[in-house]
Amino acid sequence: EAGVVQSPRYKIIEKKQPVAFWCNPISGHNTLYWYLQNLGQGPELLIRYENEEAVDDSQLPKDRFSAERLKGVDSTLKIQPAELGDSAVYLCASSYSGGRGYTDTQYFGPGTRLTVL
Amino acid sequence: AQSVTQLDSHVSVSEGTPVLLRCNYSSSYSPSLFWYVQHPNKGLQLLLKYTSAATLVKGINGFEAEFKKSETSFHLTKPSAHMSDAAEYFCVVSEAGGYNKLIFGAGTRLAVHP
Repeated sequence: EAGVVQSPRYKIIEKKQPVAFWCNPISGHNTLYWYLQNLGQGPELLIRYENEEAVDDSQLPKDRFSAERLKGVDSTLKIQPAELGDSAVYLCASSYSGGRGYTDTQYFGPGTRLTVL
Repeated sequence: AQSVTQLDSHVSVSEGTPVLLRCNYSSSYSPSLFWYVQHPNKGLQLLLKYTSAATLVKGINGFEAEFKKSETSFHLTKPSAHMSDAAEYFCVVSEAGGYNKLIFGAGTRLAVHP
């Protein structure tokens, strides 16, 4: 079974430029998550989707970050414009939430390491 | 509010000796607890999870963890370290019955020496 796929794996951009990250979850997983992992820290949730709906985006900085999950499968996370402080690893995860089974295991992709110069 | 404290940012052991990575949690409700491992340039991999069944949880690669409610701890152990265990380990809490929001600790970097 294929795992969570993310691309690109690495991205270097100059500040004020836009950048986008793509995630393909595990087949059949209806819930998708984007996390931010700063150096030396644990991941922090940015946004959670159930199917096409963003059900928790309270931690997403909406002035420059946006996300979408068209057709409830793949997702894209965008930053525009990027700032120096956005340098981090962006992780995507997916899980199958079958009703009230909210302890479903989240499976993580390898992440995209963003460097903003 | 939930939180996780990993008591050691770095742990160093010799190959073949026991591993102990310490984790304390804070949760208002019955928590689910997880340990994830992150090898360099790889995704987070689930080692084990506790979801209110047996308090001693066995995971992959010989790791296990014991849920102690009275101590609010969920320490990760392994009897004998292997060189391939060198990685970053994260203790994670999620409130059972709520939605599946994971709160990660800051991580413990495990070094294994020959």
